[in-house]
Order: sequence, then C-alpha cells, then structure tokens
Amino acid sequence: KNEVEQSPQNLTAQEGEFITINCSYSVGISALHWLQQHPGGGIVSLFMLSSGKKKHGRLIATINIQEKHSSLHITASHPRDSAVYICAAEGGSEKLVFGKGTKLTVNP
Amino acid sequence: EADIYQTPRYLVIGTGKKITLECSQTMGHDKMYWYQQDPGMELHLIHYSYGVNSTEKGDLSSESTVSRIRTEHFPLTLESARPSHTSQYLCAIPRVAVNQPQHFGDGTRLSIL
Repeated sequence: KNEVEQSPQNLTAQEGEFITINCSYSVGISALHWLQQHPGGGIVSLFMLSSGKKKHGRLIATINIQEKHSSLHITASHPRDSAVYICAAEGGSEKLVFGKGTKLTVNP
Repeated sequence: EADIYQTPRYLVIGTGKKITLECSQTMGHDKMYWYQQDPGMELHLIHYSYGVNSTEKGDLSSESTVSRIRTEHFPLTLESARPSHTSQYLCAIPRVAVNQPQHFGDGTRLSIL
C-alpha cells in the first residue's frame, strides 16, 4: 500500500462541472502539495498546505491534519484543466512521497 | 524563474546502448534530485546529491548511475539500456518559492526498444 493514496485514478467531466480529487496519506508530514502534470511531462506546483484551506482562482485545496486527508476542488471546470493532478506528502529534509496521480479529462 | 534544463526531452533507442540524460541548473543549488516515473505510476526518487562529489541512492533501486563533478550538472547514465528502463526521468532542485515542493525540469521520456 502506497503511503499516499489518491482517488479517483481517472476522472472524466463535462465542462462546467465541479471536480473533487481526494488524497489520503499515512505518513507524518510537514506539508502537503498538490501538483499538476501536463501531457508533455512538466510539473507545476498548485498548492502547499499545512493546515486549513487555500484558494487560487477556480482551484481550492483543503487539508484535515487529524484525518490525514486532503482534497483538491476545481470549480467551473474547463478543458484546459485536463491534466494529471498529483498529491505529494513532504516529510523531514524535504523528502517527498508522491501519489499515483489522478488523470482528469474535461470534455467541452 | 528558476532555470533547470533537461535534455533530451524524448529519446527512443535500442537495447544495449549507453545513455546519458543531462540535467543542468543555473541557480547554484547544492541539492539536486532524479526521479523516475513509470507510465501511470507515482514518482520515485532514484538519486540525489547534496553537492559536488556527493551522490546518494534514493528510495527506488535503479541500475542507473549519476555523477556530480560540477554544481550545475547532474547527469544520469545507463550503461546498457534495457526495455525495463523505459520511463520518464525528472530532475529537480529545491524549492525556489516558499509554496513549492521542489522545482522540476520538463523531464526526459525514454523508450528502449
């Protein structure tokens, strides 16, 4: 069992739908990261969380430290949001443990 | 914007060839990392370096080797490529902004025939 589990693995939505991607982790963390990976392979950092909630545009990330769970929400989804979304748990010394990612496809 | 460069972006090559994947950075970071990402799977740390002449193996065992002769360069070498080495290889440096994990290069997609 991976120390960082994401669900769902694949997600297909229609443009405009509200999207939720979940991440559960079993390790102690100093921070939880949400990353976006495009088909070309490049990785972009979306959020770094240690508590509570963060919002950037149509993206919202939340974390519940007690439950070791984080969610990434996308409001009013758009085809350009299609990508793989990766959850990564950061421990000591910047060590990262990655989830397998959620492949999101948003159809027009 | 931090600069971290990986070459080549894509490589398709036959079994048995020696391969070197290049990673370079212009920020003067001591720490550098190599990750391997198999299709549909999570990233795994395979090598890291804390500075010149420092190299360590990561969490995932890899037949590749690395060297760190200069701060700017952290090349990864496969002496004899095999189809099992087909994967994406991502190089990274420490965070360049407070809300980042590490800063990743664009990766090299390697296919061994």
